[in-house]
Amino acid sequence: QAVLTQPASLSASPGASASLTCTLRSGINVDSYMIYWYQQKPGSPPQYLLRYKSDSDKKQGSGVPSRFSGSKDASANAGILLISGLQSEDEGDYYCMTWHSSAWVFGGGTKLTVL
Amino acid sequence: EVQLVESGGALAQPGGSLRLSCIASGFTFSTYAMSWVRQAPGKGPEWVSYIRSDSKTIYYADSVKGRFTTSRDNARNSLYLQMNGLRAEDTAVYFCARDYDGWGDSLDHWGQGTLVTVSS
Repeated sequence: QAVLTQPASLSASPGASASLTCTLRSGINVDSYMIYWYQQKPGSPPQYLLRYKSDSDKKQGSGVPSRFSGSKDASANAGILLISGLQSEDEGDYYCMTWHSSAWVFGGGTKLTVL
Repeated sequence: EVQLVESGGALAQPGGSLRLSCIASGFTFSTYAMSWVRQAPGKGPEWVSYIRSDSKTIYYADSVKGRFTTSRDNARNSLYLQMNGLRAEDTAVYFCARDYDGWGDSLDHWGQGTLVTVSS
C-alpha cells in the first residue's frame, strides 16, 4: 500500500471550492507529518504551494494566493488542500508529499478539472 | 531570482552511465540542501536523492540505491547525479530542486529538467 494516496481526478465549477485529499497509509498518523502540496501544469515542473502540519505550523509558498490553504482530517488520516474561488487557471495536477523513512514520498496526484 | 538549470540528459543504453549537472544561482547555494526528483512520461514525480548543504548526509530512493551517486560542489554552485547501471525504468525527466537541511519550504524551486532516455 502506498504511503500517500490521492484520488486520480476531481472536477469542480468555477467559483466553487475544491477539497483535494491525501490519505496516509494505515499505521502512519497524519498528525505527526508535515504535508507539502504542489501544482503542476503540462510541460512545466511542479510548483510549490504550501506546507501544513497544524494551524500553528504551516507556511504558504511565496506568491501563492490565500485561496489555497491546507488542513487535515484526522478522522480520515488525511491531509487536505482546499482551493476556494476556483479559477480556470487552477486546472492541473496536484501532488502531496511528505518525509517518511528518510525519503521524500509523493502521492500519485489528482488531476483537477475546472468546468 | 532563484534559478536552477539542469544538463546532461541524453539517450543511454541499458547498463550505461550518465552524469547530470545542476547549476544554481540567485541564492546562497552552500546553505541549502538539494534534491533530485524524476518524472517518467505521464507519471507523477518520484524523489531520487537528497544531499545536505555540507554533503554530510545523503539519502537515496530504494529504486536507485547502489547505482546513483549524488554530490555537490559548493564553490561552483553545482549539484551532480552520477547514474550508473541505467535501466529502462530510469527513463524520465530529471529535476533538481532546492531543499532544506531542516524543516523548510522543501522543493520550493525546481529547474526545467533534463530528459534521460534509456533504450537500446
